[in-house]
Amino acid sequence: DAGVIQSPRHEVTEMGQEVTLRCKPISGHDYLFWYRQTMMRGLELLIYFNNNVPIDDSGMPEDRFSAKMPNASFSTLKIQPSEPRDSAVYFCASSLGSGGALGGYTFGSGTRLTVV
Amino acid sequence: SQKIEQNSEALNIQEGKTATLTCNYTNYSPAYLQWYRQDPGRGPVFLLLIRENEKEKRKERLKVTFDTTLKQSLFHITASQPADSATYLCALEGGSGNTGKLIFGQGTTLQVKP
Repeated sequence: DAGVIQSPRHEVTEMGQEVTLRCKPISGHDYLFWYRQTMMRGLELLIYFNNNVPIDDSGMPEDRFSAKMPNASFSTLKIQPSEPRDSAVYFCASSLGSGGALGGYTFGSGTRLTVV
Repeated sequence: SQKIEQNSEALNIQEGKTATLTCNYTNYSPAYLQWYRQDPGRGPVFLLLIRENEKEKRKERLKVTFDTTLKQSLFHITASQPADSATYLCALEGGSGNTGKLIFGQGTTLQVKP
């Protein structure tokens, strides 16, 4: 398996533009997570899905953020409109079973977002 | 409020020594705790999981302890090597009300000098 695949690796956009981040989880994993990492706040959980259904989006900072998982092999995180404070590395992770109890989470390589 | 604390200062040790990293938590009752390694520009990589009813877990040169009374986990790397240099993150499963999601500490950076 190629692991969790995220695209793009880097994104530079202007304030006010829409940004879409993409993730392909490991085949067979039933949980998918979106995290954001900054120096100040570390890794923050934004939202997670179980069997394609959003379970907890309490970490999504504002209505500008939305996430979808239309099928078991694809998820998107959208920011509209983007703001400079959204600049961070966004990670997608997947796992088999709740909380990674069956072997931890597998993370993608992340998308480094810069909003100017 | 819930908090996970890892030493924010980098840990510098000499090659061959044992590195010990600490993870303390408050207001959690986690069913298990996990440790991850993160290299610059990469996503975290899962290392070990220890359950609340386990005191100690080993994997090659790694050892993790979990004291639910002290609310603390220790992560040891024996016979450390320069290739062990990275940031190490502890993560708790959220417990009651937060089942199914991992909450991460800020991480401790380990530097092993040859």
